[in-house]
Amino acid sequence: DAGVIQSPRHEVTEMGQEVTLRCKPISGHNSLFWYRQTMMRGLELLIYFNNNVPIDDSGMPEDRFSAKMPNASFSTLKIQPSEPRDSAVYFCASSPGQSNEKLFFGSGTQLSVL
Amino acid sequence: QKEVEQNSGPLSVPEGAIASLNCTYSDRVSQSFFWYRQYSGKSPELIMSIYSNGDKEDGRFTAQLNKASQYVSLLIRDSQPSDSATYLCAVLEGSARQLTFGSGTQLTVLP
Repeated sequence: DAGVIQSPRHEVTEMGQEVTLRCKPISGHNSLFWYRQTMMRGLELLIYFNNNVPIDDSGMPEDRFSAKMPNASFSTLKIQPSEPRDSAVYFCASSPGQSNEKLFFGSGTQLSVL
Repeated sequence: QKEVEQNSGPLSVPEGAIASLNCTYSDRVSQSFFWYRQYSGKSPELIMSIYSNGDKEDGRFTAQLNKASQYVSLLIRDSQPSDSATYLCAVLEGSARQLTFGSGTQLTVLP
């Protein structure tokens, strides 16, 4: 298996622009997670899905952030409009079964909002 | 308030020494504990899990858990320069179904 696949690897955009991050989880994994990592705040959970259904989005910072999982093999995280404080590495991870214990992370998207 | 606490370091040890990484957590009903390793510029990867009080050994790595003290640690024996990374402690809390990560401890093993 290719693992969790994220795109793009790097994104540089200007404040106010829309940003869409994409993720393909490992085939057969039931849960998908979006994390944000910064030096100041570490690794923060934004939202997670189980069987394509959003279970907990309490970590989504503002209404500017939205996430979808239209099917078992694809998810998006959208920021509209983007702000410089959104600059971070965004990781997608997937997990098999119901336990959500063992996460397999994608390579991440390095987002820079100028 | 951060629920999983780690000393951010950096922690430096000479090659061949034992590296000791520590983590405390606040949720008393937590049952599952994990250590992830993250190399610079890379994504976290799971290296150890522990569920019961005591020690769990896997090669040069030993995880230790003390639920009464709400404390989990990771020992790396015979440390190698390739062990230089940030180590993230993660806890699956009793009521939650997702992991909470600590901020990580940066380890440098000096050759």
